[in-house]
Amino acid sequence: TQLLEQSPQFLSIQEGENLTVYCNSSSVFSSLQWYRQEPGEGPVLLVTVVTGGEVKKLKRLTFQFGDARKDSSLHITAAQTGDTGLYLCAGAQGGNQFYFGTGTSLTVIP
Amino acid sequence: GAVVSQHPSRVICKSGTSVKIECRSLDFQATTMFWYRQFPKKSLMLMATSNEGSKATYEQGVEKDKFLINHASLTLSTLTVTSAHPEDSSFYICSARDTGGFQETQYFGPGTRLLVL
Repeated sequence: TQLLEQSPQFLSIQEGENLTVYCNSSSVFSSLQWYRQEPGEGPVLLVTVVTGGEVKKLKRLTFQFGDARKDSSLHITAAQTGDTGLYLCAGAQGGNQFYFGTGTSLTVIP
Repeated sequence: GAVVSQHPSRVICKSGTSVKIECRSLDFQATTMFWYRQFPKKSLMLMATSNEGSKATYEQGVEKDKFLINHASLTLSTLTVTSAHPEDSSFYICSARDTGGFQETQYFGPGTRLLVL
């Protein structure tokens, strides 16, 4: 059973379009991380959100942590081909409890 | 900061041999490191949690005698795949938590591609 469900699982869009990836759970997390991974490489940390309702921006990427700290979203504005990759959310419940989402594979077509 | 390295990046071995993968935190100390396995376009599957100076904690279904983990220092953890078989072929990734930083963020190594013939 996966604690964190991501949707969509696969996404293919044209360059310039906007998109949103969701990371949902019925469990509460003390913090949540978003990573991007390219083929053959390790995941790279994009952001950590800690406070319920928190919004963080990283250039064209906007991350939001749900008020109840059970879910999160990643919104990309005007997608570029360089945004292509596997996006992973990960929730922490303190100590050594980390749970990774199911992953969203994004392809941005030029 | 927060750089994690893995070595080797790619390894090909014969069935029945053992392979050791190293994971190092280069600019921070990590009392806890994690080992994951990943299949193509899939999320990470946690194999075990490695704690410096103590035994690793393995996830259900992961054979501890097959995947030996040693975390001998605050900057190094090793994963040894013993008597490797073709079904062990996969992408193995380690991560580390910065002991001196925000404890709930993991930093990942670049991964090791293992191919067992």
